Amino acid sequence: KNEVEQSPQNLTAQEGEFITINCSYSVGISALHWLQQHPGGGIVSLFMLSSGKKKHGRLIATINIQEKHSSLHITASHPRDSAVYICAVRSTSGSRLTFGEGTQLTVNP
Amino acid sequence: GAGVSQSPSNKVTEKGKDVELRCDPISGHTALYWYRQSLGQGLEFLIYFQGNSAPDKSGLPSDRFSAERTGGSVSTLTIQRTQQEDSAVYLCASSLALSLAGTTDTQYFGPGTRLTVL
Repeated sequence: KNEVEQSPQNLTAQEGEFITINCSYSVGISALHWLQQHPGGGIVSLFMLSSGKKKHGRLIATINIQEKHSSLHITASHPRDSAVYICAVRSTSGSRLTFGEGTQLTVNP
Repeated sequence: GAGVSQSPSNKVTEKGKDVELRCDPISGHTALYWYRQSLGQGLEFLIYFQGNSAPDKSGLPSDRFSAERTGGSVSTLTIQRTQQEDSAVYLCASSLALSLAGTTDTQYFGPGTRLTVL
């Protein structure tokens, strides 16, 4: 079992829909990252969380430390949100990031 | 301000040759990370620098891989005697710091170097 599991692997939505991507992890962490990778390959860091909730524009990220679970929400989705969304955690015992396999999101107009 | 830059953007090499990949982090960022993304695979941690030292080299896949960082800035990842399985996109990221508490700052990623070993 991977240390970081994401679901779903693939998600197709219609423009305007509310989207949720989930991330579960099995180790103690000092931080959790949500990353966005566009079709051209560039990676952008969306959020870094250690507790609670963060919001940036139409994106919201939450984390529940007790349940070892995080969610990334996109409100009023748009075709330009189409990308791979990657969850990554830094464990409390090391400096490396461990990545989930990513969720491929496609938002159709 | 410039972001993280990497060079070359693409590198095609023959099996058995050595390659050097370069990363220029954001000025003032003390932490630097190398990752690898093979075709159809997720991201894989390779090595992390804090300043010029590499406290965590545990992700390097074999002793053919090495990395150094000089002046707390530029880093080079060297792959000796390349193999076809080394073909991947090699990504570099930098962050302001890694605190003593183990918490981290946001990582900023470079555009990557696509390595193809024939």
